[in-house]
Amino acid sequence: AQSVAQPEDQVNVAEGNPLTVKCTYSVSGNPYLFWYVQYPNRGLQFLLKYITGDNLVKGSYGFEAEFNKSQTSFHLKKPSALVSDSALYFCAVRDILRSGGYQKVTFGTGTKLQVIP
Amino acid sequence: KAGVTQTPRYLIKTRGQQVTLSCSPISGHRSVSWYQQTPGQGLQFLFEYFSETQRNKGNFPGRFSGRQFSNSRSEMNVSTLELGDSALYLCASSLSGDDYEQYFGPGTRLTVT
Repeated sequence: AQSVAQPEDQVNVAEGNPLTVKCTYSVSGNPYLFWYVQYPNRGLQFLLKYITGDNLVKGSYGFEAEFNKSQTSFHLKKPSALVSDSALYFCAVRDILRSGGYQKVTFGTGTKLQVIP
Repeated sequence: KAGVTQTPRYLIKTRGQQVTLSCSPISGHRSVSWYQQTPGQGLQFLFEYFSETQRNKGNFPGRFSGRQFSNSRSEMNVSTLELGDSALYLCASSLSGDDYEQYFGPGTRLTVT
Protein backbone atom coordinates (compact mmCIF):
# COMPACT_ATOMS: atom_id res chain seq x y z
CA ALA A 1 0.00 0.00 0.00
CA GLN A 2 1.16 3.50 -0.72
CA SER A 3 1.49 6.22 1.87
CA VAL A 4 2.86 9.72 2.25
CA ALA A 5 3.98 11.54 5.37
CA GLN A 6 4.40 15.20 6.12
CA PRO A 7 6.11 15.18 9.49
CA GLU A 8 5.58 18.86 10.31
CA ASP A 9 2.11 20.23 10.99
CA GLN A 10 3.46 23.77 10.75
CA VAL A 11 6.60 25.45 9.47
CA ASN A 12 7.49 29.01 10.39
CA VAL A 13 10.03 30.95 8.36
CA ALA A 14 11.05 34.59 8.18
CA GLU A 15 10.36 36.47 4.97
CA GLY A 16 13.37 36.34 2.67
CA ASN A 17 14.74 33.15 4.22
CA PRO A 18 14.79 29.82 2.38
CA LEU A 19 11.97 27.43 3.18
CA THR A 20 11.63 23.65 3.16
CA VAL A 21 8.47 21.63 3.59
CA LYS A 22 9.19 17.94 4.09
CA CYS A 23 7.53 14.93 2.49
CA THR A 24 8.41 11.25 2.56
CA TYR A 25 6.59 8.47 0.78
CA SER A 26 6.25 4.71 0.62
CA VAL A 27 5.30 2.82 -2.54
CA SER A 28 5.77 -0.69 -3.83
CA GLY A 29 6.44 0.36 -7.42
CA ASN A 30 7.58 3.69 -8.79
CA PRO A 31 6.16 6.96 -7.49
CA TYR A 32 4.52 9.83 -9.24
CA LEU A 33 4.85 12.71 -6.78
CA PHE A 34 2.96 15.99 -6.57
CA TRP A 35 2.80 19.14 -4.47
CA TYR A 36 -0.37 21.19 -4.09
CA VAL A 37 -1.09 24.40 -2.22
CA GLN A 38 -4.32 25.53 -0.60
CA TYR A 39 -4.73 29.21 0.15
CA PRO A 40 -7.36 30.26 2.72
CA ASN A 41 -10.88 29.95 1.32
CA ARG A 42 -9.55 28.77 -2.01
CA GLY A 43 -9.26 25.39 -3.69
CA LEU A 44 -6.14 23.29 -4.02
CA GLN A 45 -3.74 24.39 -6.74
CA PHE A 46 -1.11 22.28 -8.45
CA LEU A 47 2.49 23.41 -7.82
CA LEU A 48 4.76 20.81 -9.38
CA LYS A 49 5.26 17.12 -10.07
CA TYR A 50 7.92 14.48 -10.47
CA ILE A 51 7.28 11.73 -12.97
CA THR A 52 10.71 10.75 -14.23
CA GLY A 53 14.00 12.33 -15.25
CA ASP A 54 15.79 15.13 -13.45
CA ASN A 55 15.52 14.80 -9.68
CA LEU A 56 15.10 18.57 -9.25
CA VAL A 57 11.77 19.80 -10.56
CA LYS A 58 10.69 23.41 -10.79
CA GLY A 59 7.14 24.60 -10.44
CA SER A 60 4.90 27.60 -10.01
CA TYR A 61 5.65 30.69 -7.89
CA GLY A 62 9.39 29.91 -7.65
CA PHE A 63 8.95 26.61 -5.84
CA GLU A 64 11.04 23.53 -6.54
CA ALA A 65 11.27 20.04 -5.14
CA GLU A 66 13.98 17.42 -5.04
CA PHE A 67 13.21 13.74 -5.56
CA ASN A 68 15.50 11.52 -3.50
CA LYS A 69 14.88 7.85 -4.22
CA SER A 70 17.25 6.46 -1.58
CA GLN A 71 15.62 8.55 1.16
CA THR A 72 12.12 8.23 -0.38
CA SER A 73 11.66 11.95 0.01
CA PHE A 74 10.26 14.77 -2.08
CA HIS A 75 10.85 17.97 -0.12
CA LEU A 76 9.44 21.28 -1.33
CA LYS A 77 11.81 24.23 -1.34
CA LYS A 78 11.98 27.91 -2.17
CA PRO A 79 15.12 30.06 -1.96
CA SER A 80 13.39 33.15 -0.57
CA ALA A 81 10.02 33.02 1.20
CA LEU A 82 7.30 35.61 0.70
CA VAL A 83 4.50 36.47 3.11
CA SER A 84 2.09 35.54 0.31
CA ASP A 85 3.46 31.97 0.39
CA SER A 86 1.65 31.43 3.70
CA ALA A 87 -0.77 28.59 3.00
CA LEU A 88 -1.43 24.88 3.51
CA TYR A 89 0.82 22.60 1.45
CA PHE A 90 -0.01 19.03 0.50
CA CYS A 91 2.29 16.34 -0.84
CA ALA A 92 0.68 13.54 -2.86
CA VAL A 93 1.81 10.24 -4.36
CA ARG A 94 0.48 7.81 -6.92
CA ASP A 95 2.05 4.35 -6.90
CA ILE A 96 2.78 2.99 -10.35
CA LEU A 97 2.91 -0.78 -10.08
CA ARG A 98 5.06 -2.90 -12.33
CA SER A 99 2.03 -5.09 -12.95
CA GLY A 100 0.10 -2.13 -14.31
CA GLY A 101 -3.23 -0.75 -13.20
CA TYR A 102 -4.23 2.62 -11.93
CA GLN A 103 -3.58 3.46 -8.32
CA LYS A 104 -5.35 6.20 -6.42
CA VAL A 105 -3.63 9.41 -5.40
CA THR A 106 -2.82 9.55 -1.68
CA PHE A 107 -2.40 12.93 -0.01
CA GLY A 108 -0.37 13.81 3.05
CA THR A 109 -2.01 15.49 6.01
CA GLY A 110 -0.73 18.90 5.00
CA THR A 111 1.80 21.36 6.39
CA LYS A 112 0.82 24.90 7.29
CA LEU A 113 3.49 27.33 6.17
CA GLN A 114 3.63 30.62 8.02
CA VAL A 115 5.95 33.27 6.60
CA ILE A 116 6.68 35.95 9.16
CA PRO A 117 7.25 39.52 7.93
CA LYS B 1 -10.73 27.62 -20.20
CA ALA B 2 -13.27 27.32 -17.40
CA GLY B 3 -12.13 25.57 -14.24
CA VAL B 4 -13.73 22.74 -12.32
CA THR B 5 -17.14 23.71 -11.04
CA GLN B 6 -19.02 22.14 -8.17
CA THR B 7 -22.62 22.61 -7.17
CA PRO B 8 -23.98 23.41 -4.75
CA ARG B 9 -21.27 25.28 -2.84
CA TYR B 10 -22.98 24.95 0.51
CA LEU B 11 -25.48 22.44 1.80
CA ILE B 12 -27.18 21.82 5.12
CA LYS B 13 -28.88 18.48 5.63
CA THR B 14 -30.37 16.52 8.48
CA ARG B 15 -29.20 13.14 9.71
CA GLY B 16 -30.78 10.33 7.72
CA GLN B 17 -31.30 12.36 4.59
CA GLN B 18 -29.42 11.82 1.35
CA VAL B 19 -27.51 14.29 -0.77
CA THR B 20 -26.22 14.53 -4.34
CA LEU B 21 -23.22 16.66 -5.24
CA SER B 22 -22.28 17.60 -8.78
CA CYS B 23 -18.96 18.24 -10.49
CA SER B 24 -18.22 19.54 -13.98
CA PRO B 25 -14.60 18.94 -15.00
CA ILE B 26 -12.42 21.09 -17.19
CA SER B 27 -13.29 20.63 -20.84
CA GLY B 28 -11.32 17.71 -22.28
CA HIS B 29 -10.57 16.14 -18.92
CA ARG B 30 -11.80 12.57 -18.70
CA SER B 31 -10.79 11.66 -15.16
CA VAL B 32 -12.73 12.88 -12.12
CA SER B 33 -11.82 12.14 -8.52
CA TRP B 34 -13.67 12.94 -5.31
CA TYR B 35 -12.13 13.68 -1.91
CA GLN B 36 -13.45 14.38 1.54
CA GLN B 37 -11.54 17.04 3.46
CA THR B 38 -11.90 17.43 7.21
CA PRO B 39 -9.62 19.20 9.71
CA GLY B 40 -8.80 15.98 11.50
CA GLN B 41 -8.38 13.57 8.59
CA GLY B 42 -7.03 15.76 5.82
CA LEU B 43 -7.90 14.73 2.26
CA GLN B 44 -9.42 11.28 2.06
CA PHE B 45 -9.87 9.67 -1.36
CA LEU B 46 -13.43 8.64 -2.18
CA PHE B 47 -13.37 7.43 -5.78
CA GLU B 48 -12.00 8.07 -9.23
CA TYR B 49 -13.85 7.80 -12.52
CA PHE B 50 -12.48 7.62 -16.02
CA SER B 51 -14.68 7.41 -19.11
CA GLU B 52 -17.74 6.54 -17.01
CA THR B 53 -15.94 3.69 -15.23
CA GLN B 54 -14.89 3.68 -11.60
CA ARG B 55 -11.26 2.73 -11.60
CA ASN B 56 -10.38 3.33 -7.97
CA LYS B 57 -12.31 3.43 -4.71
CA GLY B 58 -11.32 4.57 -1.25
CA ASN B 59 -12.21 3.09 2.12
CA PHE B 60 -15.62 4.61 2.61
CA PRO B 61 -18.86 2.78 3.43
CA GLY B 62 -21.33 1.86 0.71
CA ARG B 63 -23.45 4.90 1.62
CA PHE B 64 -21.03 6.85 -0.55
CA SER B 65 -21.48 6.29 -4.26
CA GLY B 66 -20.73 8.08 -7.47
CA ARG B 67 -21.05 8.00 -11.19
CA GLN B 68 -19.73 9.70 -14.27
CA PHE B 69 -21.68 10.64 -17.36
CA SER B 70 -20.67 10.51 -21.00
CA ASN B 71 -19.79 14.22 -20.95
CA SER B 72 -17.39 13.51 -18.03
CA ARG B 73 -19.58 15.32 -15.51
CA SER B 74 -19.75 13.43 -12.24
CA GLU B 75 -22.05 13.14 -9.28
CA MET B 76 -21.55 11.69 -5.85
CA ASN B 77 -24.32 10.59 -3.57
CA VAL B 78 -24.34 10.06 0.16
CA SER B 79 -27.31 8.24 1.62
CA THR B 80 -28.45 8.05 5.23
CA LEU B 81 -26.32 11.02 6.27
CA GLU B 82 -24.46 10.93 9.57
CA LEU B 83 -23.06 13.82 11.59
CA GLY B 84 -19.55 12.64 10.72
CA ASP B 85 -20.22 13.22 7.03
CA SER B 86 -19.94 16.96 7.60
CA ALA B 87 -16.95 17.99 5.51
CA LEU B 88 -15.70 19.79 2.44
CA TYR B 89 -16.14 17.57 -0.60
CA LEU B 90 -13.65 18.28 -3.34
CA CYS B 91 -13.80 17.23 -6.94
CA ALA B 92 -10.70 17.13 -9.11
CA SER B 93 -10.29 16.53 -12.82
CA SER B 94 -7.33 15.59 -14.94
CA LEU B 95 -6.41 14.46 -18.40
CA SER B 96 -6.16 10.73 -18.91
CA GLY B 97 -3.17 8.93 -17.52
CA ASP B 98 -1.50 8.58 -14.17
CA ASP B 99 1.07 11.30 -14.60
CA TYR B 100 -1.25 14.22 -15.03
CA GLU B 101 -1.85 16.68 -12.21
CA GLN B 102 -5.31 17.24 -10.85
CA TYR B 103 -7.28 20.48 -11.00
CA PHE B 104 -9.56 21.01 -8.04
CA GLY B 105 -12.91 22.67 -7.77
CA PRO B 106 -13.83 24.99 -4.88
CA GLY B 107 -15.65 22.23 -3.07
CA THR B 108 -19.08 21.69 -1.57
CA ARG B 109 -19.32 22.40 2.14
CA LEU B 110 -21.77 19.85 3.59
CA THR B 111 -23.10 20.32 7.11
CA VAL B 112 -25.16 17.54 8.66
CA THR B 113 -27.27 18.48 11.68
